[in-house]
Amino acid sequence: QSLLTQTPSASGPPGQRVTISCSGSRSNIGQNTVNWYQQLPGAAPKLLIYSNSRRSSGVPDRFSGSKSGTSASLAISGLQSEDEADYYCAAWDDNLRIYVFGTGTTVTVL
Amino acid sequence: QVQLVQSGAEVKKPGASVRISCKASGYSFTENFMHWVRQAPGQGPEWMGLINPSAGGTNYAQKFHGRVSMSSDTSTSTVHLELTGLRSDDTAVYYCARIYCDRGDCFTHAFDLWGQGTMVTVSS
Repeated sequence: QSLLTQTPSASGPPGQRVTISCSGSRSNIGQNTVNWYQQLPGAAPKLLIYSNSRRSSGVPDRFSGSKSGTSASLAISGLQSEDEADYYCAAWDDNLRIYVFGTGTTVTVL
Repeated sequence: QVQLVQSGAEVKKPGASVRISCKASGYSFTENFMHWVRQAPGQGPEWMGLINPSAGGTNYAQKFHGRVSMSSDTSTSTVHLELTGLRSDDTAVYYCARIYCDRGDCFTHAFDLWGQGTMVTVSS
């Protein structure tokens, strides 16, 4: 059971805005930065957002991240078909001394 | 070309050990810590630990203590992961992943470069 809880799925038509949430606790999100990864089927995860809100190189500005307290969120605006993927938040946990990934959110473009 | 290339798929019996390699190219191997992450079928990623390729220092997730070993060979720009006492729930894709550094600033757990993954199947 992951320490970071995400909504299992999110969907929307092309062009819509979708927001994915990631809920943690003081020992992980509350005290450390959050990273977001996108994983296409059969591929390795790809870094989208690091340090809560900074976009990785080459990531379109349709993707944005934010953090407040013990929660974080990833927003995808102008949804495109190639955004269909699994998305994971991740953060270091000070209590368990591990880097923990969220439960994952599957985004579907309708 | 900046890349991490991992060794091929492995099939092992319970109780056996597996050693996976990850060869870096296209960048300065000793400048970025390397992590290992695994992903069981249908599950999310799971962090296993990290190695400093330069000094060889390691930090393993408590869950794997006593069973995992990470090493580095600077002469070949390769890191290795060894997992012993394999069980069926060790069946997973294993990835090496480099931490992201930007003009001297390194973000310890942001992985900007991943290997292609190595499938390890543990079955009797």
